[in-house]
Amino acid sequence: QKEVEQDPGPLSVPEGAIVSLNCTYSNSAFQYFMWYRQYSRKGPELLMYTYSSGNKEDGRFTAQVDKSSKYISLFIRDSQPSDSATYLCAFSGGYNKLIFGAGTRLAVHP
Amino acid sequence: EAQVTQNPRYLITVTGKKLTVTCSQNMNHEYMSWYRQDPGLGLRQIYYSMNVEVTDKGDVPEGYKVSRKEKRNFPLILESPSPNQTSLYFCASSSRAGGADYGYTFGSGTRLTVV
Repeated sequence: QKEVEQDPGPLSVPEGAIVSLNCTYSNSAFQYFMWYRQYSRKGPELLMYTYSSGNKEDGRFTAQVDKSSKYISLFIRDSQPSDSATYLCAFSGGYNKLIFGAGTRLAVHP
Repeated sequence: EAQVTQNPRYLITVTGKKLTVTCSQNMNHEYMSWYRQDPGLGLRQIYYSMNVEVTDKGDVPEGYKVSRKEKRNFPLILESPSPNQTSLYFCASSSRAGGADYGYTFGSGTRLTVV
């Protein structure tokens, strides 16, 4: 079993849709849960960060963590064409290793 | 502007010809890492450094070397590149271990092709 599983997509949605991106993980030692966004030909940039179960909201983005099910989600409300990118979930046990999912490619069309 | 700078952005080389990819950050971060990104495999850590002269292997270190002689620089060295090292490489830095609290800041990437 892979340590992190993420559906690669691609996911294509109309502008204004609610987008749900998900990852599952198997390592109970993970303490920090992150979502990165990567535009084409760019490096990943941190979008959301959390270390506890529950929801964390930042504007149109909500990160959800369920430690008991080892499942994290990112919700994007009122999606915009500028949200078109690859979204990577990432996990850390607090040491130097950051484990990434393979990324989900999202396209938001006008 | 706070940033991680990698050079070159694109590189095509031949098998066996030693090369170095440079990485520099201006944020005074202790922690730096190198990742490679391959389709379907995501980002995999090659090496990381906790501070000057302190480095350790990540998940895929074979065929790579690193050094950390100064806090701001963390070059990646391929002594004898092979075609299976064709990939997109990212350097990243962080003020906390594992990217805690603030995450990693990534460079723009180096696309390496070994023929």
